[in-house]
Amino acid sequence: QQQVRQSPQSLTVWEGGTTVLTCSYEDSTFNYFPWYQQFPGEGPALLISILSVSDKKEDGRFTTFFNKREKKLSLHIIDSQPGDSATYFCAAQNYNQGKLIFGQGTKLSIKP
Amino acid sequence: DAGVTQTPRHEVAEKGQTIILKCEPVSGHNDLFWYRQTKIQGLELLSYFRSKSLMEDGGAFKDRFKAEMLNSSFSTLKIQPTEPKDSAVYLCASSLGGGRGEQYFGPGTRLTVL
Repeated sequence: QQQVRQSPQSLTVWEGGTTVLTCSYEDSTFNYFPWYQQFPGEGPALLISILSVSDKKEDGRFTTFFNKREKKLSLHIIDSQPGDSATYFCAAQNYNQGKLIFGQGTKLSIKP
Repeated sequence: DAGVTQTPRHEVAEKGQTIILKCEPVSGHNDLFWYRQTKIQGLELLSYFRSKSLMEDGGAFKDRFKAEMLNSSFSTLKIQPTEPKDSAVYLCASSLGGGRGEQYFGPGTRLTVL
């Protein structure tokens, strides 16, 4: 089934803390997993992505982990900053297809 | 390079009206997507074009929603007739295609149907 489940729906973290968002999927043909970040009044923008041949990808304070056996992925934000407050979407794709399947999103608030 | 452009940014319509939303994808991109975004349903795919050919028309949205690619650099989404439940943000996105996953999104059009 082509569904991506994301949790939590909303999350509040203190400035400097670590944020963890998680997603799960069922379709074993998915092999590309991007995370998008959306600020109010803007469209989503690609934050970080990972292919199913990897288990970890890092970009500055953002790291995404992928567990193929459990069909789960996560996004970790270390030293969370108020500027990270946004809605985050995980997504999944079969690399041979063009469309992405998006999770429901997590509204993240970082409190100073 | 210009990003994805969407016009108008805001639209208010009376129930039963026809509205047309416009999108200009990133130059050179082959795939174009229309999404509807609401707090309850999240991001819902309305239409997907590859090299101007319709690949997916979003099933449940077929009856009143029609997306077209008039050329490789311009797309429209027509909603006819509008209903209050259509109030949402409509996002257009484009990508290189050919299995390259990154989608570039426009800022969206916020539609309010009274």
